Amino acid sequence: DIQMTQSPSSVSASVGDRVTVTCRASQDVSSWLAWYQQKPGKAPKLLIYAVSSLQNGVPSRFSGSRSGTDFILTITNLQPEDFATYYCQQAKSFPGTFGQGTKLEIK
Amino acid sequence: QVQLVQSGAEVKKPGSSVKVSCKVSGGTFNSYAINWVRQAPGQGLECMGEIIPIFSKKEYAQKFQGRLTISADESTSTAFMELSNLRSDDTAVYYCARAAATRENAFDIWGQGTMLTVSS
Repeated sequence: DIQMTQSPSSVSASVGDRVTVTCRASQDVSSWLAWYQQKPGKAPKLLIYAVSSLQNGVPSRFSGSRSGTDFILTITNLQPEDFATYYCQQAKSFPGTFGQGTKLEIK
Repeated sequence: QVQLVQSGAEVKKPGSSVKVSCKVSGGTFNSYAINWVRQAPGQGLECMGEIIPIFSKKEYAQKFQGRLTISADESTSTAFMELSNLRSDDTAVYYCARAAATRENAFDIWGQGTMLTVSS
């Protein structure tokens, strides 16, 4: 199975801040990389697919990119509703493994 | 609008089996892959298996081989996940999720989750 290493495991930030989350795959996943947001007691929600494509209805303050072998989720101008846990996932091969998650907390 | 609606919470004893359903409404059923993902309390997300009804194709994560059976009933647009020989560490929320080929197989629609508690 492809392993996804996500960092940091948690981050504290304030409303209006910019935050980045990084994910690295143990093998090449090409562009088959997605990001999800999960709030307590809720199912995950797709934010970004194919590294940088924004899912319908997701605010433009969320963006995805790649730098070498790292995949990056960036959230600019943090809003109160953005405090949640974020997961990356590779969808290149079964099983579609997830990163360990990053909990974004209010400072 | 496509929705995935799952069956309700379950409480099972160790060694027994559970079958969770996932009904797809508002869209085509058999042309997408339906995945099953679980999340133990306070833990991350773990893919268990998937089914693509139109191809009658199923895949199981190695960890669950021999204990997991995924099936589908196209007449009711419902997918099923059956896990046998339950253990306490199977206590988790189980989600079904649609993998969208138009989204590079990302899971674009999720069920609401089914809580399974395994306890003697």
